Amino acid sequence: DGGITQSPKYLFRKEGQNVTLSCEQNLNHDAMYWYRQDPGQGLRLIYYSQIVNDFQKGDIAEGYSVSREKKESFPLTVTSAQKNPTAFYLCASSIDIDRGETQYFGPGTRLLVL
Amino acid sequence: QQQVKQSPQSLIVQKGGISIINCAYENTAFDYFPWYQQFPGKGPALLIAIRPDVSEKKEGRFTISFNKSAKQFSLHIMDSQPGDSATYFCAASIRAAGNKLTFGGGTRVLVKP
Repeated sequence: DGGITQSPKYLFRKEGQNVTLSCEQNLNHDAMYWYRQDPGQGLRLIYYSQIVNDFQKGDIAEGYSVSREKKESFPLTVTSAQKNPTAFYLCASSIDIDRGETQYFGPGTRLLVL
Repeated sequence: QQQVKQSPQSLIVQKGGISIINCAYENTAFDYFPWYQQFPGKGPALLIAIRPDVSEKKEGRFTISFNKSAKQFSLHIMDSQPGDSATYFCAASIRAAGNKLTFGGGTRVLVKP
């Protein structure tokens, strides 16, 4: 059963705390992406990665960090520097940057601040 | 600067009617225009997509119309069903720039039985 999994489904963050959102895919896709969705708004790109051990900032990277140590995994850390982290976070993947425009999305993680 | 503007923000249509959602873009370098469907609490799913060398693409009840000179594209949902009630997003990307998607703000569609 191929696809993209994100965990946890809900995550609570305390003030000054870093939290990490998990994204795993078994589609053998090279490219992976992280988006943020705020209520009633479209998705905005946080970071993306074309290949293992490489990633680039998107439009709203401040306060976030990522790593890409394995092809199937692209975790996102929301740092304490992100002052307004409450949002729905979506991970996506595509075959690769050159051949695959179609991005497939995971089910999302909703982050709430306590 | 919002590069992809989507309208309306919401619409209500009767079962069997036609839903029409419009998007306008600014960057003429965009070369891929997908539409995504999203149900509450779920991730978006690709519905249909078009490239700028085609003026129309149809898949089942869903049709994309593309007007390159006007820098506009639209989604038509024919014979709308209650199961089509969802939020729809248009998007655009540039293959040479990493296929990063720029999304419109979304349209919430409610199909009344």
